[in-house]
Amino acid sequence: IAGITQAPTSQILAAGRRMTLRCTQDMRHNAMYWYRQDLGLGLRLIHYSNTAGTTGKGEVPDGYSVSRANTDDFPLTLASAVPSQTSVYFCASSDSEGKGANEQYFGPGTRLTVT
Amino acid sequence: GQNIDQPTEMTATEGAIVQINCTYQTSGFNGLFWYQQHAGEAPTFLSYNVLDGLEEKGRFSSFLSRSKGYSYLLLKELQMKDSASYLCAVKDSNYQLIWGAGTKLIIKP
Repeated sequence: IAGITQAPTSQILAAGRRMTLRCTQDMRHNAMYWYRQDLGLGLRLIHYSNTAGTTGKGEVPDGYSVSRANTDDFPLTLASAVPSQTSVYFCASSDSEGKGANEQYFGPGTRLTVT
Repeated sequence: GQNIDQPTEMTATEGAIVQINCTYQTSGFNGLFWYQQHAGEAPTFLSYNVLDGLEEKGRFSSFLSRSKGYSYLLLKELQMKDSASYLCAVKDSNYQLIWGAGTKLIIKP
């Protein structure tokens, strides 16, 4: 693995179903993030984790949950999908949260359609 | 509330110069980022400004004025591969990035 990966690449999901989007990074970054990107809107933060074992809510956390059992993995779960969760989901990581450049590196994204 | 404003779309000619503006109102300021995003791909980092002034990196430059809540990204010697969306983002007082909706740049031959 080089960088940050996401799976699946795309998914069509029936409303009401449960779905976990996977995200793995091999850069040993402390901080990880989940965003959704919708047409005409900026990236919106769903959940974040500043370090393994901790998570926090972003701007649009409702209907989503995350866990951070180790440094590398940061899965995002939709407990019961609804059509408004149709979006492109990006996972990102950065060396650390806080001051400084700490650029975020993005995975290739998961295109999710909820029908 | 927090707000990042960018033009929705801009068109420029190959070989020319284009300036993409970004204005922001955020709770606190811990730096401003520019990212490039090609259609169907992930955003990639271009630049970071935390102090007023111009940062130059090859064909791309980024300017910041904290007192005016304003930044711009300047792209010189435009190439067709520069056709992409350019995202402005500000790190707020909680060290979270607040993102603009992006500016779609169309390059014409």
